[in-house]
Amino acid sequence: GESVGLHLPTLSVQEGDNSIINCAYSNSASDYFIWYKQESGKGPQFIIDIRSNMDKRQGQRVTVLLNKTVKHLSLQIAATQPGDSAVYFCAENISTQGGSEKLVFGKGTKLTVNP
Amino acid sequence: DAGVIQSPRHEVTEMGQEVTLRCKPISGHNSLFWYRQTMMRGLELLIYFNNNVPIDDSGMPEDRFSAKMPNASFSTLKIQPSEPRDSAVYFCASSSGTGVGSSPLHFGNGTRLTVT
Repeated sequence: GESVGLHLPTLSVQEGDNSIINCAYSNSASDYFIWYKQESGKGPQFIIDIRSNMDKRQGQRVTVLLNKTVKHLSLQIAATQPGDSAVYFCAENISTQGGSEKLVFGKGTKLTVNP
Repeated sequence: DAGVIQSPRHEVTEMGQEVTLRCKPISGHNSLFWYRQTMMRGLELLIYFNNNVPIDDSGMPEDRFSAKMPNASFSTLKIQPSEPRDSAVYFCASSSGTGVGSSPLHFGNGTRLTVT
C-alpha cells in the first residue's frame, strides 16, 4: 500500500553535531524521493531529492542516502545549526492505479537543535 | 522569484459558509497541486493540474470541494458548504515538470482555515 513512515518522530541534537533523520517507504516501485523542511507557519521547503538509480546525493551540508534493498531513506545534516530546527518530511513519488503520479508524504520528524 | 503566493493567509468562517482559497503558482511552472495538512493525517494531496487541466482529483474529500485553474497563473479551491472538519492548513504547490516525478514541488505558505 501507500506508506511512508518515520522511525523517529522527534530528534534533539546539539549545535555543531551531525543529524540523521530516517524514513522507511513501502512501495518498491517508487523512483523519486524528496526531503522537505517545514518551519512553523511556513510551507514545506525543498531540501534535496534523489532518484532510484542513485544511492547517494550531496548538497550543501546535506546528504541523502537511499537503500533500495531495505526501502530506507535518510537525510544527514552536517554541523547542525539552530536554523535547522524544523519538521522534516520525506516524500515518495508513487504511481496511482489511474496512471497518474502523486507525492506521498511521511508524518515528519521534528528536529530541535540546542545551542 | 516571488514563489507560490496564496491568499488569504488565514480564514475564519462559520459552518455552512462558502470558502475560496486562491493560489498563484511560480511563473513558468506548468503543474499545480493543492494539499491539505492536519495533525492527524499529515499532508494529503487533494488535486493536481497539468497545463491547467485537472489530472488527478481522487484526493478531493467530497463534492463540497471543487478546484479550478482558469489560466496558468491562477487557481482556486472552493469549499461549499464548509464544515468544522475542514479546518486545516491548505497548501498550493507548483512545479515545472509534467508530474511529481520529474521535478520537485515548490510550496506556498498556506492558508490556515478555521471553520466554527
